[in-house]
Amino acid sequence: AQSVTQPDIHITVSEGASLELRCNYSYGATPYLFWYVQSPGQGLQLLLKYFSGDTLVQGIKGFEAEFKRSQSSFNLRKPSVHWSDAAEYFCAVGGGDYKLSFGAGTTVTVRA
Amino acid sequence: DTEVTQTPKHLVMGMTNKKSLKCEQHMGHRAMYWYKQKAKKPPELMFVYSYEKLSINESVPSRFSPECPNSSLLNLHLHALQPEDSALYLCASSQDTRDSYNEQFFGPGTRLTVL
Repeated sequence: AQSVTQPDIHITVSEGASLELRCNYSYGATPYLFWYVQSPGQGLQLLLKYFSGDTLVQGIKGFEAEFKRSQSSFNLRKPSVHWSDAAEYFCAVGGGDYKLSFGAGTTVTVRA
Repeated sequence: DTEVTQTPKHLVMGMTNKKSLKCEQHMGHRAMYWYKQKAKKPPELMFVYSYEKLSINESVPSRFSPECPNSSLLNLHLHALQPEDSALYLCASSQDTRDSYNEQFFGPGTRLTVL
């Protein structure tokens, strides 16, 4: 069975500071990994995805993520956060069928 | 067009009402999904349609009734709901449920309140 753990429930970061969100997955074969962002009252927007190839993936809004198979991790990073990055972030793993397993999410608060 | 649209944005209904949520995509996707999301929780899968046929029902109560009239449209019919059904209902679509990449595109959701 596939699963995702996001160890941090809530992170507060100052505007302009760097951000790293952790994601650990459990999956028996090659995982398909995703990071989604959800602003309050909105749907989920795909930030980036990893299927194969280069383990450092670039996404939208200046985000990047690194796949580390040895650590079963897919951490999301941004060098300098903006107030508009305050949102809920979900890591998800797919196994090549319909099922997308989400982590519990990390709430990011940005302080001025 | 890489957008999934949902109507209405907000819906308030009584426990005896019948209402419907609508979802539309024009990306040529053949898989469509309904999710339920409670506040501060991840989305929970409810139904999956593949090539306009219901392929997955995640043990959802019969007061929720999905319908896929064609490959672009997905409806969720609601009847005799309970207050605990209040949530954000998200629609999503993907190329195909058999697609190894299965990237799902989400709509903005319908915020449902059951009184």
